[in-house]
Amino acid sequence: TQLLEQSPQFLSIQEGENLTVYCNSSSVFSSLQWYRQEPGEGPVLLVTVVTGGEVKKLKRLTFQFGDARKDSSLHITAAQPGDTGLYLCAGIILTGGGNKLTFGTGTQLKVEL
Amino acid sequence: DAMVIQNPRYQVTQFGKPVTLSCSQTLNHNVMYWYQQKSSQAPKLLFHYYDKDFNNEADTPDNFQSRRPNTSFCFLDIRSPGLGDAAMYLCATSRGLAGFNEQFFGPGTRLTVL
Repeated sequence: TQLLEQSPQFLSIQEGENLTVYCNSSSVFSSLQWYRQEPGEGPVLLVTVVTGGEVKKLKRLTFQFGDARKDSSLHITAAQPGDTGLYLCAGIILTGGGNKLTFGTGTQLKVEL
Repeated sequence: DAMVIQNPRYQVTQFGKPVTLSCSQTLNHNVMYWYQQKSSQAPKLLFHYYDKDFNNEADTPDNFQSRRPNTSFCFLDIRSPGLGDAAMYLCATSRGLAGFNEQFFGPGTRLTVL
């Protein structure tokens, strides 16, 4: 079983602050995805990182895939209340049965005015 | 808009009373997935269909079954719901299994077991 640990589990910050969420595993993944889930909704894909060391930016969000493809981070600059939600990393392993997502333990972010 | 639709959004059932959750998609994707997500936890894959081929996760209880009568629809049947089965059930689709196909999630059905 591939386990993805996210930290912190909960984060409550003020608008304008920066934050980093970490996603760590002892397993190597073919690629890694980050999702955001709002209350009462399904997860929505934010980004997929594929290459070890890859960095992708999505407006104020910066995603990095570790060199060994075992870990990833999500950095948010100048957080806004609209960033509030559950952030999930998900590792992908390509198997004979196809690509399977293993979700991380999740980080619940709350951004207050 | 192409999308993944789940009905109902909220379902209440009684302990031991069979219940069926529904998922439909307009994306014409080959793969449909069912996940269980308990409060404050990550989604956990129960099973998936690639076309008509059913793939069960090893740790999915026998109490959970699925049907996919056609490309567009997939059902989750819980034969005898227990209190521990109360959760959000998410349906997702992807174009294929190979590579890094994005999974598109529905809004989920929140199941309450009384």
